[in-house]
Amino acid sequence: AQTVTQSQPEMSVQEAETVTLSCTYDTSESNYYLFWYKQPPSRQMILVIRQEAYKQQNATENRFSVNFQKAAKSFSLKISDSQLGDTAMYFCAFMILGGSEKLVFGKGTKLTVNP
Amino acid sequence: DTEVTQTPKHLVMGMTNKKSLKCEQHMGHRAMYWYKQKAKKPPELMFVYSYEKLSINESVPSRFSPECPNSSLLNLHLHALQPEDSALYLCASSLVQYNEQFFGPGTRLTVL
Repeated sequence: AQTVTQSQPEMSVQEAETVTLSCTYDTSESNYYLFWYKQPPSRQMILVIRQEAYKQQNATENRFSVNFQKAAKSFSLKISDSQLGDTAMYFCAFMILGGSEKLVFGKGTKLTVNP
Repeated sequence: DTEVTQTPKHLVMGMTNKKSLKCEQHMGHRAMYWYKQKAKKPPELMFVYSYEKLSINESVPSRFSPECPNSSLLNLHLHALQPEDSALYLCASSLVQYNEQFFGPGTRLTVL
């Protein structure tokens, strides 16, 4: 069974600084997607960034970037120039390519950006 | 239109009531999902519809009854719920294969 582990239940960062959220996963599959979802207090789940396992280049989306280490099964999210609106629960998620389309979520990291 | 909409935003119901949650998308997605989310927990998958057919039921109690009348609409019919069913119910959609899921804003359900 596929598992996703987020080892940091809570983190905080000062506005304008950089923070990295950790995620590791376990699978025997070779083709899969990895995602970071953000869920602010409004509770809307928003896709932040996506990484295809077959791509060696790390995905980047504006201030958000990932460090994807396939051999180590690690998928961390870096948020640069943190903003107050980045305060949210962040979920790392995994989906097997050609599988049942079931997303496997980590338990989440609650990020607070302080002014 | 690149969003998933859900109605109502909030719902309070008694244990003997019958109510329905509605989810709609107009992105041409052919897979739609219901998730249940408790506070401070990740979403838990309940049902998946693919091409309007139920493809996954994650052993959900029969008091939850999904329905997919067409490719844009997904309903969740609720009957004889328990207080522990109180949660945020999220709907999501995706292209048929291998794409990310887009989530709606959710319906916050309280069962008294």
